Amino acid sequence: DTGVSQDPRHKITKRGQNVTFRCDPISEHNRLYWYRQTLGQGPEFLTYFQNEAQLEKSRLLSDRFSAERPKGSFSTLEIQRTEQGDSAMYLCASSFTSAYNEQFFGPGTRLTVL
Amino acid sequence: RKEVEQDPGPFNVPEGATVAFNCTYSNSASQSFFWYRQDCRKEPKLLMSVYSSGNEDGRFTAQLNRASQYISLLIRDSKLSDSATYLCVVMGYGGSQGNLIFGKGTKLSVKP
Repeated sequence: DTGVSQDPRHKITKRGQNVTFRCDPISEHNRLYWYRQTLGQGPEFLTYFQNEAQLEKSRLLSDRFSAERPKGSFSTLEIQRTEQGDSAMYLCASSFTSAYNEQFFGPGTRLTVL
Repeated sequence: RKEVEQDPGPFNVPEGATVAFNCTYSNSASQSFFWYRQDCRKEPKLLMSVYSSGNEDGRFTAQLNRASQYISLLIRDSKLSDSATYLCVVMGYGGSQGNLIFGKGTKLSVKP
């Protein structure tokens, strides 16, 4: 399967713990995006990378959130000191360099904070 | 006002029906528009881009009215397999170019 992959698919954690998610984009894609989706809502943009450079962060991305894409390939999203409000589906997408190219989404990581 | 607004539905229609979804967006400078489809507990997938001249892909027709900041999706001859949530999407403008701004989605249920 050469699509976008995410790991883990599900994560249950206790409030206050740190969690890290991984995204492997389609190999030729330069851009990688992170979105968050809560029940009954559309996905909300969090941040994106062009190669290894993080070009934009949403105001939704509090200082407890950090994302990296160290070699311009896979990316990680870390949430520190998780809160119940962080419970959501975290979606990763990738695309070619042009902003107008289709974004392909991964299956997501569903986070539940108890 | 939310950046992208759409009627959440649900729309419950019989097979073969024609159904239309509408969406409005707030940023008049927006340039790119899309409809994504999301099945239950799955990731969103691009259904079609929306062009100023309107565009058609089989049973699906998308239209854009820039003056009214309004986007529509028409599905003809609905199939059971069309049951899903349809997300209206606007691409961010200027410094946010490349980010997708999603509506809440409209849920469609096609019944036999």
